[in-house]
Amino acid sequence: NAGVTQTPKFQVLKTGQSMTLQCAQDMNHNSMYWYRQDPGMGLRLIYYSASEGTTDKGEVPNGYNVSRLNKREFSLRLESAAPSQTSVYFCASRLDPRSYEQYFGPGTRLTVT
Amino acid sequence: TQLLEQSPQFLSIQEGENLTVYCNSSSVFSSLQWYRQEPGEGPVLLVTVVTGGEVKKLKRLTFQFGDARKDSSLHITAAQPGDTGLYLCAGGTNAGGTSYGKLTFGQGTILTVHP
Repeated sequence: NAGVTQTPKFQVLKTGQSMTLQCAQDMNHNSMYWYRQDPGMGLRLIYYSASEGTTDKGEVPNGYNVSRLNKREFSLRLESAAPSQTSVYFCASRLDPRSYEQYFGPGTRLTVT
Repeated sequence: TQLLEQSPQFLSIQEGENLTVYCNSSSVFSSLQWYRQEPGEGPVLLVTVVTGGEVKKLKRLTFQFGDARKDSSLHITAAQPGDTGLYLCAGGTNAGGTSYGKLTFGQGTILTVHP
């Protein structure tokens, strides 16, 4: 039982390049989330998926797209990376609709030059 | 937009000292969670409080939810170097409704406990 896994662990992009961050969970959770973490700003929600087949914008969605491929997988795509997207990205999942507990992956550290 | 103000942002103390971290908002939350994060890893849940005035203890850590459910505190007694890390509070609203369990995070408190 691996929990929430993310790939890659580290990535360096040039401005304008695209990439997809992968996330998978093996806990049969319904909801999945993408956050970014910047110094002094806690975690900010980018997109979330309440269930398979649905996605919705969070607090900071501009410049990102997501795909909920199936119940296990939720990917985050940067179509044209910008230096402002340099951050640590975390994926999380949640099982119980009555609970708020989220389980986080280990993160992807992205640098855009 | 709901905001959670966490203080202090940095805390550097000696082993054995006590400390308190605060999390405040003008908004009411259905629940308040505290997470701990170590370098290179994702946050890990420490506790969830859901009732106004609720107090929960986890060994040397005491968590309290304000009576009005707008604030919370984390108190650590006799801190140890192993307590070093980033502590995050997160407020949730209406888990079963249209908010889909979205959390609002505070900015975090970086705690360093020196031996």
